[in-house]
Amino acid sequence: QQQVKQSPQSLIVQKGGISIINCAYENTAFDYFPWYQQFPGKGPALLIAIRPDVSEKKEGRFTISFNKSAKQFSLHIMDSQPGDSATYFCAASMNTGFQKLVFGTGTRLLVSP
Amino acid sequence: NAGVTQTPKFQVLKTGQSMTLQCAQDMNHEYMSWYRQDPGMGLRLIHYSVGAGITDQGEVPNGYNVSRSTTEDFPLRLLSAAPSQTSVYFCASTLGAPNYEQYFGPGTRLTVT
Repeated sequence: QQQVKQSPQSLIVQKGGISIINCAYENTAFDYFPWYQQFPGKGPALLIAIRPDVSEKKEGRFTISFNKSAKQFSLHIMDSQPGDSATYFCAASMNTGFQKLVFGTGTRLLVSP
Repeated sequence: NAGVTQTPKFQVLKTGQSMTLQCAQDMNHEYMSWYRQDPGMGLRLIHYSVGAGITDQGEVPNGYNVSRSTTEDFPLRLLSAAPSQTSVYFCASTLGAPNYEQYFGPGTRLTVT
């Protein structure tokens, strides 16, 4: 059972454009929503995370938008650069002792020069 | 600080063989976990540990064993390898509340023939 659905599976964006990746979740007990970035041959690394008490969080060119009523959240990459080409995973977890992350299926982003 | 280290980087096994994937962290994190990454499925939690001597099952534990005798080490054992266990395995560690960032190792690519 896929508790976090991610789309699109792949995305091609021109340099300088906006990349948008969407995720939807089912479990209303989730209260932590991170995005991880993974380059080929490397482990995932935390990019940005949000909790449901805010609707938006921005860190540099990366923004998470969160819609609690729709149970959706998205990652926006402004002014996308070729160095942003990677696979992006959304995830969700509950606020229990160990945060069991439930990951989306990933989006492969290619930013063309 | 080496962070999270994993060995080996690549491994080929024959069906029925056993092996241990090694994971170590030098950040004094209490929580450690193992994920497997398969195409189109994101990362799925296999086992996790909330401290030395304490382990628990994740989403896909069958065919794997873990133990945690020290804070630093969290090995994953494949008891009798099957082709369905062909995957990329990632170990992760986290400090826990209030910093929930999970730090991933570089991964072990396992092929079972």
